[in-house]
Amino acid sequence: SAVISQKPSRDICQRGTSLTIQCQVDSQVTMMFWYRQQPGQSLTLIATANQGSEATYESGFVIDKFPISRPNLTFSTLTVSNMSPEDSSIYLCSVTGTATNNYGYTFGSGTRLTVV
Amino acid sequence: AQTVTQSQPEMSVQEAETVTLSCTYDTSESDYYLFWYKQPPSRQMILVIRQEAYKQQNATENRFSVNFQKAAKSFSLKISDSQLGDAAMYFCAYRGLNSGGSNYKLTFGKGTLLTVNP
Repeated sequence: SAVISQKPSRDICQRGTSLTIQCQVDSQVTMMFWYRQQPGQSLTLIATANQGSEATYESGFVIDKFPISRPNLTFSTLTVSNMSPEDSSIYLCSVTGTATNNYGYTFGSGTRLTVV
Repeated sequence: AQTVTQSQPEMSVQEAETVTLSCTYDTSESDYYLFWYKQPPSRQMILVIRQEAYKQQNATENRFSVNFQKAAKSFSLKISDSQLGDAAMYFCAYRGLNSGGSNYKLTFGKGTLLTVNP
């Protein structure tokens, strides 16, 4: 299955600033997703990162707050903009649709964000 | 919209015993995938087992097996011979099988925290 490198693994940020999280995959994948996991909670999908076009956002998430890029089939970034303490969460990248496992999902190790 | 419900926020089991985690889901689709993921304190999401809805046979992976009841929309996970390393948060997840970008996404339940007692 695909191997994902997600960076940074953790960060502590000041409110009002922005953080960009990177997701690098070792092979081309069809779909890339960004999830948020608030403390002690389940995973909530933020958006699907589309290669070469605007991301598809889920209800409650907007591009101005969570801009996403996906310039190619192996890389994506999620930016958390104008952060507030409520944005403190774990953010995870996930991929599916690899050459060897079309229905398998692989997750990055997550980015633990704390906003102070 | 699809929903996934895990009614057990926490479960505990003695080492070497068997435990069953419950999951129900709601969908109008006839074809889909169901998953159980494990998330230890390291945060890494690990696939435990996967079930295709069109298969009547229940999936099995070593000590892990499922009881898939399609009509009842139930998908429970049985862990046999529990080990200390099984302690983690377990998430049930759903994915539609029809083509289209929206059906590639996973919908997760709220999770069940499993404790394994020595």
